[in-house]
Amino acid sequence: GNSVTQMEGPVTLSEEAFLTINCTYTATGYPSLFWYVQYPGEGLQLLLKATKADDKGSNKGFEATYRKETTSFHLEKGSVQVSDSAVYFCALDYGGSQGNLIFGKGTKLSVKP
Amino acid sequence: DGGITQSPKYLFRKEGQNVTLSCEQNLNHDAMYWYRQDPGQGLRLIYYSQIVNDFQKGDIAEGYSVSREKKESFPLTVTSAQKNPTAFYLCASSRATGRQETQYFGPGTRLLVL
Repeated sequence: GNSVTQMEGPVTLSEEAFLTINCTYTATGYPSLFWYVQYPGEGLQLLLKATKADDKGSNKGFEATYRKETTSFHLEKGSVQVSDSAVYFCALDYGGSQGNLIFGKGTKLSVKP
Repeated sequence: DGGITQSPKYLFRKEGQNVTLSCEQNLNHDAMYWYRQDPGQGLRLIYYSQIVNDFQKGDIAEGYSVSREKKESFPLTVTSAQKNPTAFYLCASSRATGRQETQYFGPGTRLLVL
């Protein structure tokens, strides 16, 4: 079936450190891939997306590249800030009849000053 | 500003009571969704609607009901049959269904049982 696996958190980093959150997927066909961010007590915000192999999504200093050969969509940022503290969700849309996203369990990031 | 609103932010349910969560969007989107989020878990689909006057069960529909009488509104009722309703409920919408579409989320409603 279709699924998303994310690295387990929590991840704790110092400000200006490099961030990687791993995400791998299993899917039929050619899914679209997404990263969403959830700040405490809030809904999800789209961070970035990629719709085909080798596409790179980017936003607010975050990047992720759609790697079909390794079925991965790892999230990276070169220098994190305290304001990046949140839960990050990797998700895929395989174009099924329901139209829903398949989510990973989320990775909590805490950035210390 | 276009967006999705959910109300209330917090909702308390008594034993045996039905409660309704509101979701409204002014994005002119055809598709709308309800997800449930439990601590440390990803989101799971409760119901979805691809167009007004039509809706379908998702993966965990038991104990829930919905309606889609207007394009902009997709309320969710948590019935007394839902034995474990405590969770964070998120409504989302997209222009249409399909893997090229992006889903946009509301701020969520946290449901607690008294």
